[in-house]
Amino acid sequence: TQLLEQSPQFLSIQEGENLTVYCNSSSVFSSLQWYRQEPGEGPVLLVTVVTGGEVKKLKRLTFQFGDARKDSSLHITAAQPGDTGLYLCAGGSGGSTLGRLYFGRGTQLTVWP
Amino acid sequence: DVKVTQSSRYLVKRTGEKVFLECVQDMDHENMFWYRQDPGLGLRLIYFSYDVKMKEKGDIPEGYSVSREKKERFSLILESASTNQTSMYLCASSLPKDRRNTGELFFGEGSRLTVL
Repeated sequence: TQLLEQSPQFLSIQEGENLTVYCNSSSVFSSLQWYRQEPGEGPVLLVTVVTGGEVKKLKRLTFQFGDARKDSSLHITAAQPGDTGLYLCAGGSGGSTLGRLYFGRGTQLTVWP
Repeated sequence: DVKVTQSSRYLVKRTGEKVFLECVQDMDHENMFWYRQDPGLGLRLIYFSYDVKMKEKGDIPEGYSVSREKKERFSLILESASTNQTSMYLCASSLPKDRRNTGELFFGEGSRLTVL
C-alpha cells in the first residue's frame, strides 16, 4: 500500500520554466518533508512543513502543506539545470517518537539548458 | 559536519552468499533505518532500530536481518542473497521526534548491490 502518491513520476523541462510536483494521500500526517536526491547520493532534506496550510519558501522553491495535512506541493520557479534530481515527499506519523517516515515514489526532474 | 557512512558503495555477490552491509553514524542518533530503493518503487523500509539491541520490521523484512550492537552502527545482513535483492540500499539515522525535531532523516550515500 502506497500511502503517498507523487505526480508526475517524470518531468522533463527547459531551463526557465516553472513546474509543480504533487504529493497526495488519504491519510493525515503530522509533518511532511521534501527531499532531493542527486545521482550517486542519498536524499537530502529540503524542507519540513508541520502546520496545515503552511507555506515555506527556499529561494526559487515553494512548498505548501494542505489545510487538512493530507497533501503537499512543491513549486519551482524558473527551473535551472542544477535543480535536476529525484524529489521525494515523506509523511511523518503522529504520536510516535520514532519519527518513521512514509515515502512517495518520487518525481524525477530533468532540467535542460 | 554530520555524517552517515556506508561501508561499501558497490558490491557484487553471487546467489546464496551471505552479505553484510555496514552503516555508521557520528551524530549520536537513537534511530537508524535501512531502506532499499528501486526504480519506480521509491524507498521501502526494511528494518529500523530505535535503540541499541532493539529492532523492528519495516515493510519488506523478508530475506533480511539486522544487528545493532552499538549506538552508532547498524548492520543489514542478507543471509542468502538472491537476484531479487539486487538494489540500492540506503542507511539513515535520525533523532527521536519531539517538539523540537520532526524526525529529519540523514542518509548515507548508498550501497549498490548486484547479486548474480
